[in-house]
Amino acid sequence: DIVMTQSPDSLTVSLGERATINCKSSQSLFFSSNNRDYLAWYQQKPGQPPKLLISWASTRKSGVPDRFTASGSGTDFTLTISGLQAEDVAVYYCQQYYTTPTFGQGTKLEI
Amino acid sequence: QAQLLQSGAEVKKPGASVKVSCKTSGDPVTGYFFHWMRQAPGRGLEWMAWLNPNTGGTTYAKKFEGRVTVTRDTSTNTLFLEISSLTSDDTAMYYCAGVDFWSASDDWGQGTLVTVSS
Repeated sequence: DIVMTQSPDSLTVSLGERATINCKSSQSLFFSSNNRDYLAWYQQKPGQPPKLLISWASTRKSGVPDRFTASGSGTDFTLTISGLQAEDVAVYYCQQYYTTPTFGQGTKLEI
Repeated sequence: QAQLLQSGAEVKKPGASVKVSCKTSGDPVTGYFFHWMRQAPGRGLEWMAWLNPNTGGTTYAKKFEGRVTVTRDTSTNTLFLEISSLTSDDTAMYYCAGVDFWSASDDWGQGTLVTVSS
């Protein structure tokens, strides 16, 4: 199985500031045949199911605010939340779907 | 958009089996795969399996192969997750979700809490 490791485990950021979450995979998620990285980011707010934010490492889901940006390729990926708002308090997970999917352990974002 | 409605909470004894349902309605995004994931209390997400609705084919996480079965009833648009030989480690919230990574779309059930306790 591909192991996904997120850092940090938790993060406290002030309103309006930037939060950066990292995700590292144990093997490359880049598929050269279609030039895509098989990496997704999810947001889970307390008491709710997760929600997809990003697929293909950087493609934002429709309706997701553009303060959420994601980047990276191969084995190293980053989710950045700019201009943090109170509603962004959540746990964020990366997930690879290059093989049978696996999640990172999650990063708890607090204000 | 699709709506996914999961069955209610279950309490089971160790060694028993449980079958959770997920009824889909509305218009699932073309390209949805239907996933089952779980989350133990206070823990992270764990992916369990997916079903390709076009072929009916299933794929399981290695950890669950042989103990978990995902099926569907196309006549009622219902998915099922069955787990056998339950232990306390299976106590978790179980989620079904339709996800299409190509179009970055997803719909989720509300979750089903399964508690395994003697």
